[in-house]
Amino acid sequence: EVQLVESGGGLVQPGGSLRLSCAASGFSLSNYWMHWVRQAPGKGLVWVSRISSDASTTNYADSVKGQFTISRDNAKNTVFLQMNSLRAEDTAVYYCATQSSYAMDIWGQGTTVTVSS
Amino acid sequence: QSALTQPPSVSGSPGQSVTISCTGTSSDVGTYNRVSWYQQTPGTAPKLLIHGVSNRPSGVPDRFSGSKSGNTASLTISGLQAEDEADYYCSSFTSSPTWVFGGGTKLTVL
Repeated sequence: EVQLVESGGGLVQPGGSLRLSCAASGFSLSNYWMHWVRQAPGKGLVWVSRISSDASTTNYADSVKGQFTISRDNAKNTVFLQMNSLRAEDTAVYYCATQSSYAMDIWGQGTTVTVSS
Repeated sequence: QSALTQPPSVSGSPGQSVTISCTGTSSDVGTYNRVSWYQQTPGTAPKLLIHGVSNRPSGVPDRFSGSKSGNTASLTISGLQAEDEADYYCSSFTSSPTWVFGGGTKLTVL
């Protein structure tokens, strides 16, 4: 079965860090650009970041630039999102997704990040 | 990176058609044919409905169609069914280059 599985979410204090992982099964991530998208409780989808298939290109939303870092390990079929200096407004479900035909076509089930003291 | 503008809600009766608009700028929707639409039901991940303005992935019913005129893209759902009740989001590639989503539209099937 083709699927993406996110992990690494949890409860973290303001100012803390988390590293999210997105592992693929049933297919190889190495051919895909990959995205992270987040959704705060009761709110809409917000694009966070993307990385090219060979990791040579990364892009970030202004709201996380300098705070989050996207990376990938194609040998491990996994994409990562390192999140530092976390704030309450980073509380959200974080989804990873593959890009195909300039759209996000395969999505994971999401991992929940809660920033609170 | 302002969000694309969608109506907060739309509604329709079974069998009717509804259209959801998605307004951007010349830096995103108006320039790039890289507009996509997603359907999300509560507690689940988004599902791709339309890519490249008007293309349906395999498995998506042809009741769902997309179009674009200038800075505004649209999703039309014809022959509404109860199972179509969900939140719908548009997205576009931008010149930054980044991606941007709309604020989402809640579809209610009356």
